[in-house]
Amino acid sequence: GAVVSQHPSRVICKSGTSVKIECRSLDFQATTMFWYRQFPKQSLMLMATSNEGSKATYEQGVEKDKFLINHASLTLSTLTVTSAHPEDSSFYICSARDYRESRAYEQYFGPGTRLTVT
Amino acid sequence: RKEVEQDPGPFNVPEGATVAFNCTYSNSASQSFFWYRQDCRKEPKLLMSVYSSGNEDGRFTAQLNRASQYISLLIRDSKLSDSATYLCVVNEGFQKLVFGTGTRLLVSP
Repeated sequence: GAVVSQHPSRVICKSGTSVKIECRSLDFQATTMFWYRQFPKQSLMLMATSNEGSKATYEQGVEKDKFLINHASLTLSTLTVTSAHPEDSSFYICSARDYRESRAYEQYFGPGTRLTVT
Repeated sequence: RKEVEQDPGPFNVPEGATVAFNCTYSNSASQSFFWYRQDCRKEPKLLMSVYSSGNEDGRFTAQLNRASQYISLLIRDSKLSDSATYLCVVNEGFQKLVFGTGTRLLVSP
């Protein structure tokens, strides 16, 4: 399957600071990437869909000014959590679709970034 | 009603047992269905897609019942390494995937 990487894998930051998370497709081009968030013992929740060269589409209830998404190339999308607060502490996971394959709905996930805001 | 519902478990089974998980979804327009596996504090990994005719991959068998909006996963001859959370996933629209909360499986020696 396709390989997706994320960086950093773990980050601890102070309340009020901003954190940038990178998501890369390593062996394929991804015109669309997805950002999810998962709180303990809960399901993955889609935050936004990141489209290369255009604005991201945010899910209802997700603040676009707080979670800035940039998808400037076919292999890189970034999520910036601005003015982070302790309630933003979560597991952030990106995924991408590999359009080389006919299984158009399958998504491959990065290893995730565990954010802790103190 | 949740879009994708699963029994959270945990299902505690001995090695070699057969175990089945069920999942129901609310959107009758959904076209694609998957089972993902998620280990503790790790990302989900695709286990298998679920096709209308049902499909099998080694010890794993997935079934889809569109009329009842019901998906199942059967694991035969359980291994210790099968211990994980199994996520039922359904597409919504062209790109969006909706995840169930997962069913936790614990396989013991």
